[in-house]
Amino acid sequence: AQSVTQPDIHITVSEGASLELRCNYSYGATPYLFWYVQSPGQGLQLLLKYFSGDTLVQGIKGFEAEFKRSQSSFNLRKPSVHWSDAAEYFCAVGDWAGTALIFGKGTTLSVSS
Amino acid sequence: SQTIHQWPATLVQPVGSPLSLECTVEGTSNPNLYWYRQAAGRGLQLLFYSVGIGQISSEVPQNLSASRPQDRQFILSSKKLLLSDSGFYLCAWSYRTGASYEQYFGPGTRLTVT
Repeated sequence: AQSVTQPDIHITVSEGASLELRCNYSYGATPYLFWYVQSPGQGLQLLLKYFSGDTLVQGIKGFEAEFKRSQSSFNLRKPSVHWSDAAEYFCAVGDWAGTALIFGKGTTLSVSS
Repeated sequence: SQTIHQWPATLVQPVGSPLSLECTVEGTSNPNLYWYRQAAGRGLQLLFYSVGIGQISSEVPQNLSASRPQDRQFILSSKKLLLSDSGFYLCAWSYRTGASYEQYFGPGTRLTVT
């Protein structure tokens, strides 16, 4: 079955520290992978996506993610976290047709000063 | 540029009452449209998607229905709400460029069934 697992429900990081959010997927075909961010009470904003090519992809707000096919992972990273990065982060996988995205349950990021 | 609207932003409805949530997209034509529901701690669940007017696919059997009366309008409805219908409802549309695509979300509707 197709699924996305985000192992960490909640992570707290000090401001200025580095961040890595984990995402593992189970998908029968070539996965198209996405990371979204959601602030409280808001819709989701696309941070970055991976379709093909370079396995390290750059996104908005200084985020990047690395696709590792052998580990079925697509982890999100940021070298230095800002207080405004506190939000909920969702990893998602889709098919080539874009008919549906399967989302993980999300990771809540808190940033301490 | 493209914009997606949802209304209302919040809604409190009694059990057994009807529901109508509306989503419209501006600045694009013939988009794929989606309805998701987000419950606390459960991520996003795809409810319906549509690839064109009158073409609706249901992902989860339930007492909700969707309609697409116009190219850029997507409506989520129910004849009788259940307590379990409470949640955050998100409309989305997808944009394709060649082999790549992106899905964009609206601001959402917070539904509380009492």
